[in-house]
Amino acid sequence: AQSVAQPEDQVNVAEGNPLTVKCTYSVSGNPYLFWYVQYPNRGLQFLLKYITGDNLVKGSYGFEAEFNKSQTSFHLKKPSALVSDSALYFCAVRGSMDSNYQLIWGAGTKLIIKP
Amino acid sequence: GAGVSQSPRYKVAKRGQDVALRCDPISGHVSLFWYQQALGQGPEFLTYFQNEAQLDKSGLPSDRFFAERPEGSVSTLKIQRTQQEDSAVYLCASSLSSSGSFTDTQYFGPGTRLTVL
Repeated sequence: AQSVAQPEDQVNVAEGNPLTVKCTYSVSGNPYLFWYVQYPNRGLQFLLKYITGDNLVKGSYGFEAEFNKSQTSFHLKKPSALVSDSALYFCAVRGSMDSNYQLIWGAGTKLIIKP
Repeated sequence: GAGVSQSPRYKVAKRGQDVALRCDPISGHVSLFWYQQALGQGPEFLTYFQNEAQLDKSGLPSDRFFAERPEGSVSTLKIQRTQQEDSAVYLCASSLSSSGSFTDTQYFGPGTRLTVL
């Protein structure tokens, strides 16, 4: 069965330090992977996605993510964190052989950037 | 350009009342999705439209939930005889194409926060 896991409920990082938000997945076929960010009382904003090609994907606001097929992971990274990056981050996935239209979502990771 | 809009942003209903939640997708977007998001959780898929056709309603939790998109643009999610467990944020998303809907980016509205008393 397809699934996605965000093993950390919360990640704390000092401003200026690199950040990583983890995501692992299980799908049928090739994975299509997405990262979204959610600020309080707002909808989800798209950051980046991996469909095919280069394993390192660059997205909005300086974020990037690395697709690792052998580890079935798609961790979100940023070289230097900003206080304004504090938000809830969601990883989502579907597989190329899935027969439905659903994205499977992780439970989210709360990112706190301390000044 | 205009993004996905949803109305109302907040809705309070008494248990047993019917509610209707509206979604205006990005103009020209073929695909439309409804999600339910509980506090502190990821979105849960409810239903999917390709133009006016409802191709997947497997996520609707009960027959009290009904969605439509009669002209292939605006969509309405209706909940009949609301229950307290229906309290959640209801998110709408749209994406550009149908054949690429599996890989297309979904663009989300701000959501409607439903509270059932």
